[in-house]
Amino acid sequence: DSGVTQTPKHLITATGQRVTLRCSPRSGDLSVYWYQQSLDQGLQFLIQYYNGEERAKGNILERFSAQQFPDLHSELNLSSLELGDSALYFCASSVGDRTGYTFGSGTRLTVV
Amino acid sequence: EDQVTQSPEALRLQEGESSSLNCSYTVSGLRGLFWYRQDPGKGPEFLFTLYSAGEEKEKERLKATLTKKESFLHITAPKPEDSATYLCAVQADSNYQLIWGAGTKLIIKP
Repeated sequence: DSGVTQTPKHLITATGQRVTLRCSPRSGDLSVYWYQQSLDQGLQFLIQYYNGEERAKGNILERFSAQQFPDLHSELNLSSLELGDSALYFCASSVGDRTGYTFGSGTRLTVV
Repeated sequence: EDQVTQSPEALRLQEGESSSLNCSYTVSGLRGLFWYRQDPGKGPEFLFTLYSAGEEKEKERLKATLTKKESFLHITAPKPEDSATYLCAVQADSNYQLIWGAGTKLIIKP
């Protein structure tokens, strides 16, 4: 157990639907990062939050949004889902900017 | 443009056969270089952080080294359980975000 908790582990939904992925960071970590990893592809950075504020944006689609709550957990909202959104979505957390990230076990999203 | 290239894409070794994985990088100022291990369907697992050229870190059969242009992950007498994809990422002084390589898929045959 890495200390970063992601729920749900698996999600199957239809095209056009909206889903919410949840992440609880490791205790003491203020930064939360969201990544997408499609089958046999590299990690694609989506967005970072630091202590409730958006810190950086990567290749995040307009249909996707995220937020970090006062208790530091984060949610990634994916809407108007397309088949190509099927992927593993990872959350990671870190205590600072110059430290390694701790990743969760991911949410596997399948859009049918 | 900041860039990270890992080689080879895949590496098959016999158990006990030592080798090295390469991570070449181009950044405008290195803040840190990170190595991760990823098993299929799981999240990457942090291995090492290297901050300056000449630095080395070890963990069990793994040893990471860093120069001004590249990092090597040396694996000594590997075992089948070392089979995984090894990912390298760099952080530049100009940008806190990690720039990831595509990874090296390592397969250790018994």
